Amino acid sequence: GAVVSQHPSRVICKSGTSVKIECRSLDFQATTMFWYRQFPKQSLMLMATSNEGSKATYEQGVEKDKFLINHASLTLSTLTVTSAHPEDSSFYICSARDGRPGYTFGSGTRLTVV
Amino acid sequence: DQQVKQNSPSLSVQEGRISILNCDYTNSMFDYFLWYKKYPAEGPTFLISISSIKDKNEDGRFTVFLNKSAKHLSLHIVPSQPGDSAVYFCAASASQGAQKLVFGQGTRLTINP
Repeated sequence: GAVVSQHPSRVICKSGTSVKIECRSLDFQATTMFWYRQFPKQSLMLMATSNEGSKATYEQGVEKDKFLINHASLTLSTLTVTSAHPEDSSFYICSARDGRPGYTFGSGTRLTVV
Repeated sequence: DQQVKQNSPSLSVQEGRISILNCDYTNSMFDYFLWYKKYPAEGPTFLISISSIKDKNEDGRFTVFLNKSAKHLSLHIVPSQPGDSAVYFCAASASQGAQKLVFGQGTRLTINP
C-alpha cells in the first residue's frame, strides 16, 4: 500500500536553531501534501497545504516565515521550523492523498526545543 | 471554533463487546467523513469513510453511521479486540476532493481482556 515516510522521527534542538522535517511519498506521486501539528491530548491541527511547484497555503494563525514549506518534487515536501522556541515543541505530521479513500500519514516527528 | 467534536475523551470496553465512538460536527458544508486510528508517536491510520449521500458504510468489523440531520456520526467496532486499543479520530471535509481535513479531539479506546 501507499507509504509516506517522515524523518526524523524525533529531534531535540536548541532554542534559536532551525529544524528541517522531510516527508516523502515512497510509491506514489503527491502533488499535494499536508502538514499538521498535534499538542498533547489535542486534535491534529492543519498548518499548511504544500503544493508541488508552487507556494504553500497556510492556515490562519500559522506564521509562514517561521514554518517554511518546500515541495520541490512530486515525492518530497519539507517543513523547516526556523528560529525554534520551546513553544514550537510539538508532534508534526505530514499526509498525502494517494487516490484511495482517506489520506496516508507519515509516522510523525516529535520536536523538542530546549 | 471546534467544528468537529468528540465529546468522550476515553472509552473502556470489554473484549468481544461492541465499541461505539461518537462524533459531532457543526459545519453543514461537510460532506465527507473519515475515521482514523492512532497509536502514540505514530501517524493516524485510515480506517473507514463515508460520504454524505450514504447513512451507513461497513468494512469488516467496522461500521460508520451518519445522521446528517443531527450532524452526528459514529463508529461501531464489533467484536472489539485488544488490538483495537488506540486513539480514534474522526475527521471531516467539505468535499471528497477538497483534501482539507478537520479533525476531532480524539477518543482513547481501551479494550479490556
